[in-house]
Amino acid sequence: SQQGEEDPQALSIQEGENATMNCSYKTSINNLQWYRQNSGRGLVHLILIRSNEREKHSGRLRVTLDTSKKSSSLLITASRAADTASYFCATPPNYGGATNKLIFGTGTLLAVQP
Amino acid sequence: DTAVSQTPKYLVTQMGNDKSIKCEQNLGHDTMYWYKQDSKKFLKIMFSYNNKELIINETVPNRFSPKSPDKAHLNLHINSLELGDSAVYFCASSLRTSGSDTQYFGPGTRLTVL
Repeated sequence: SQQGEEDPQALSIQEGENATMNCSYKTSINNLQWYRQNSGRGLVHLILIRSNEREKHSGRLRVTLDTSKKSSSLLITASRAADTASYFCATPPNYGGATNKLIFGTGTLLAVQP
Repeated sequence: DTAVSQTPKYLVTQMGNDKSIKCEQNLGHDTMYWYKQDSKKFLKIMFSYNNKELIINETVPNRFSPKSPDKAHLNLHINSLELGDSAVYFCASSLRTSGSDTQYFGPGTRLTVL
């Protein structure tokens, strides 16, 4: 079954506000990645957090990982209209086999109103 | 320069036809992928090739046949198209097969089967 479940499914905020989206997964992992997909485009890698890390920053992005709860969150601070996109978490399952097989979550659709 | 390119961008065809989607990457990566994204934006891996060798083959009907003439190209041929094949197909590449490697996605091919 699908590895990642994300919530909320959709989020609408005003420009300048912060956006938080969450991802839960089912099996043990080596890392968790976040990707962004603009409408009608391919996915773009945002950030990777390893299983031994608890928090990671990249520009206006902050990712946390709680392996005990099998969950991660992505925080986008001071959002801009250009942040409007779908956001996906993805993990390579740690059960052996091909390690590059990414399992994607259901995605959160973020709309930032100008 | 486009890193991962796919052709065509849109493909509309009748049930029962055979069609191909082409993918090329100019990143010098060893590993390439095909993903299928359905109407609910659920993204699922179909195949992965490393240096022209198949390493991931998910539960995909054998009407789908990937072909990698060299490590920069991974094409997807679909026989006897069915209505349920309608989706957006994404090609991607990564440097190696590590689960920590960033995957770079193409712009997608929207396939509509009538």
